[in-house]
Amino acid sequence: EIVLTQSPGTLSLSPGERATLSCRASQSVSSSYLAWYQQKPGQAPRLLIYGASSRATGIPDRFSGSGSGTDFTLTISRLEPEDFAVYYCQQYGSSLMVTFGPGTKVDIK
Amino acid sequence: EVQLVESGGGLVQPGRSLRLSCAASGFTFDDYAMHWVRQAPGKGLEWVSGISWNSGSIGYADSVKGRFTISRDNAKNSLYLQMNSLRAEDTALYYCAKDRGIFGGGPLAYWGQGTLVTVSS
Repeated sequence: EIVLTQSPGTLSLSPGERATLSCRASQSVSSSYLAWYQQKPGQAPRLLIYGASSRATGIPDRFSGSGSGTDFTLTISRLEPEDFAVYYCQQYGSSLMVTFGPGTKVDIK
Repeated sequence: EVQLVESGGGLVQPGRSLRLSCAASGFTFDDYAMHWVRQAPGKGLEWVSGISWNSGSIGYADSVKGRFTISRDNAKNSLYLQMNSLRAEDTALYYCAKDRGIFGGGPLAYWGQGTLVTVSS
């Protein structure tokens, strides 16, 4: 089973700043089957990125994903007020089982 | 518009059972794998179980294996989770989620709003 770790646990930034979130896997994630989700308080998670770098439908281009193998990054180029939330990475692949990372909270500095 | 509406949550005593349902609409239900994901209060996301389009492939997290059973009724566009021998640590908001693929192994493109299960005496 692949274990995902995310860093930092909390990221304190101001609107307009750039956010860089990291997700590291305990073993290589095949075919970059890595997704990112955003979750705001009281809401269900929303898919942002899949395949490590492809934006889901309707996701603004300030969100970008990169990486391969065991190291992946979600970048928010310029934080908007609505971007302050918790972000989870997720590994998926050839079987039904999926794994989530523990999350990174992006809060207002 | 894709809609997933969970129901069946509530307060239940340890050791008892509960059955969750998820009513799906806005897409061809039997073209996609489906999942249950839970979130304990103040905690992160935990995958619980997944089922392929035709129920031919099913998976469970180790934490629920042998106690929970996932099923689907494609004629009724519905997903279910039978939860037996419930424990306090099963207390969580349970989400129904739609896979991007037919067999599973895809990201979870759509989520319901969740149904809360509280296990307590």
